[in-house]
Amino acid sequence: QQQVKQSPQSLIVQKGGISIINCAYENTAFDYFPWYQQFPGKGPALLIAIRPDVSEKKEGRFTISFNKSAKQFSLHIMDSQPGDSATYFCAASRNSGNTPLVFGKGTRLSVIA
Amino acid sequence: DSGVTQTPKHLITATGQRVTLRCSPRSGDLSVYWYQQSLDQGLQFLIQYYNGEERAKGNILERFSAQQFPDLHSELNLSSLELGDSALYFCASSKQGGFYEQYFGPGTRLTVT
Repeated sequence: QQQVKQSPQSLIVQKGGISIINCAYENTAFDYFPWYQQFPGKGPALLIAIRPDVSEKKEGRFTISFNKSAKQFSLHIMDSQPGDSATYFCAASRNSGNTPLVFGKGTRLSVIA
Repeated sequence: DSGVTQTPKHLITATGQRVTLRCSPRSGDLSVYWYQQSLDQGLQFLIQYYNGEERAKGNILERFSAQQFPDLHSELNLSSLELGDSALYFCASSKQGGFYEQYFGPGTRLTVT
C-alpha cells in the first residue's frame, strides 16, 4: 500500500516556466511534509518542508502548497532553470518529522532551454 | 554538503558475501536512519537508531542488521547477499528537538554480481 502518491512520474518544462509536482497522502497522522531534490549519483537534498498548520510556504523560487482537507500537497518551481533538472521526491512523516520518512516514487524534471 | 558522510562510495561483491556500510551523522545529530533506493521500490526506510538504541524498523530483511556506536556513527551489515540487494543505500541524520529535518549522506552504491 503506497502511503504517498506522487505525480507526474516525469515532467518537461521550458526554461522560465512553472514546474508543478503533486503528492497525495493517506495517513492523517502525518504532520511533516518535506520535499527532496536528488541529482544523479548524489543523495537526496532537503529542499523545503511544510507543516499542516500553514497552507503555503515559499523559499526563493520554490513554494509548497498544502491542502489538509484534500490530503494533498504540491511543489511549485517558479522560473524553472536547466539547473533545476533533477528528480524530486515528496515525503511525509509523523511526530514533526521524528519518525521515518515515507517517500513518493519521485518525479524526474527536465528543464529545457 | 549535508555533513553526513558514508563509506565506501561504491562496493562490488559476489552473491553470498557479507558487507558493512558505514555512516557518520552530522555533528550533534543523535538519530540515524538507513534507507534503500532501488529503481523498482524507490526510497524505502530500513531502520532507525537514536543515541545507540534501535528506534524503528521498516522493510529490513533478516539478513540485514545495523547498530549505532557510542560515538554515534552507524553501520549497516548486509549478509548472504543476493542480486536483488544491489541498490543505493543512504543514511540520514537528524537532531533531537526542533523540526527534525533529515539530512542525507551521499550514499553507498552496492553491486552484487
